Amino acid sequence: KAGVTQTPRYLIKTRGQQVTLSCSPISGHRSVSWYQQTPGQGLQFLFEYFSETQRNKGNFPGRFSGRQFSNSRSEMNVSTLELGDSALYLCASSLAPSGTAEGEQYFGPGTRLTVT
Amino acid sequence: AQTVTQSQPEMSVQEAETVTLSCTYDTSENNYYLFWYKQPPSRQMILVIRQEAYKQQNATENRFSVNFQKAAKSFSLKISDSQLGDTAMYFCAFMRNTDKLIFGTGTRLQVFP
Repeated sequence: KAGVTQTPRYLIKTRGQQVTLSCSPISGHRSVSWYQQTPGQGLQFLFEYFSETQRNKGNFPGRFSGRQFSNSRSEMNVSTLELGDSALYLCASSLAPSGTAEGEQYFGPGTRLTVT
Repeated sequence: AQTVTQSQPEMSVQEAETVTLSCTYDTSENNYYLFWYKQPPSRQMILVIRQEAYKQQNATENRFSVNFQKAAKSFSLKISDSQLGDTAMYFCAFMRNTDKLIFGTGTRLQVFP
């Protein structure tokens, strides 16, 4: 079974621009979670989607948004990029929502976003 | 709020030896899940092992095992017969019912030949 895939793998953007990252979960997985990883803040939860509905949201400004499609693929969007948004963005999928018996998460390879 | 603490920023071990990584967490919940994830230099986060809080038996996956002490809120990872490929950042993570995954700050493990 194919793992979680994320596109693109690397991205360079300029301050003020917007960016969309994509995540395709493992086949059959209906929950997708997004995380931001930086050297200073570590791994921080952004949001989780299950069956096209946002279940949980982390403490990020409204510039960070996401959505999930009927095939469980998910996208996250960051508008008005800031230098501090430079990070590795990780997507994880699970069979069931996080916090449940089948909620263990499997991660994709990440998208490295650099904002200049 | 739930927190996860990994007090060892870096550790090293010689190949074939055993090493234990520490993790403590804080929660008032009774039902939750604990995980260890490995992140090698490729940055791919890999699930190593999982423990359900209601299970008294410690989880084991090949060379990886945990020592889960619920009362002490401790969840350490033991790696036996360390291999060069075990060199990575190791993250302890906590997940309570219906909630998100919370990560510790990680322990960087270096395995020497």
